[in-house]
Amino acid sequence: AQTVTQSQPEMSVQEAETVTLSCTYDTSESNYYLFWYKQPPSRQMILVIRQEAYKQQNATENRFSVNFQKAAKSFSLKISDSQLGDTAMYFCALLHDQTGANNLFFGTGTRLTVIP
Amino acid sequence: DSGVTQTPKHLITATGQRVTLRCSPRSGDLSVYWYQQSLDQGLQFLIQYYNGEERAKGNILERFSAQQFPDLHSELNLSSLELGDSALYFCASSKLTGILNTEAFFGQGTRLTVV
Repeated sequence: AQTVTQSQPEMSVQEAETVTLSCTYDTSESNYYLFWYKQPPSRQMILVIRQEAYKQQNATENRFSVNFQKAAKSFSLKISDSQLGDTAMYFCALLHDQTGANNLFFGTGTRLTVIP
Repeated sequence: DSGVTQTPKHLITATGQRVTLRCSPRSGDLSVYWYQQSLDQGLQFLIQYYNGEERAKGNILERFSAQQFPDLHSELNLSSLELGDSALYFCASSKLTGILNTEAFFGQGTRLTVV
């Protein structure tokens, strides 16, 4: 079975500071991808960053980077220079291949508030 | 704008009723996924279609059904609605399926309220 756990229901950070959101996962698959999605108040789901499990190098997208620890099954998101527009729910998600199908398994989310 | 269109945006209906949610995927995308997000919860995978055929099933109730039409749009049918079915229902689409596909684009969701 696949599970994704986000143990921080809520977090806050001062504008321009750095914050790290935690995610752990469990899967028996060897080939999988990990994602962070952002859900602002508009409720749209927006892809922030993704990581291929076979790549050792941590993914980076501008102010967003991940710390992928495969052995520990940990996938944290670091947001640098936090901006007010980063205020949102953040979901960690796992994607794996199963008989040619694929679907994302989501964690329960972390609500991030950026304080001016 | 992700290119995935969901209608309606909001829906209010009574218990016991039946509703249909519609999703138009991005142009060229063959896979459609349906997710349910209850209040302050993560997204729960319901079902996936690929090029008109059901490909994967998640935690979808028997009262719910879906299909993907030849023009690739999809509909999620919810019947005998209960108060607990109130949620945000997301549709996502992607070009491929399987591990080759690494990105799904989400629509803005349909907020269903059952009263």
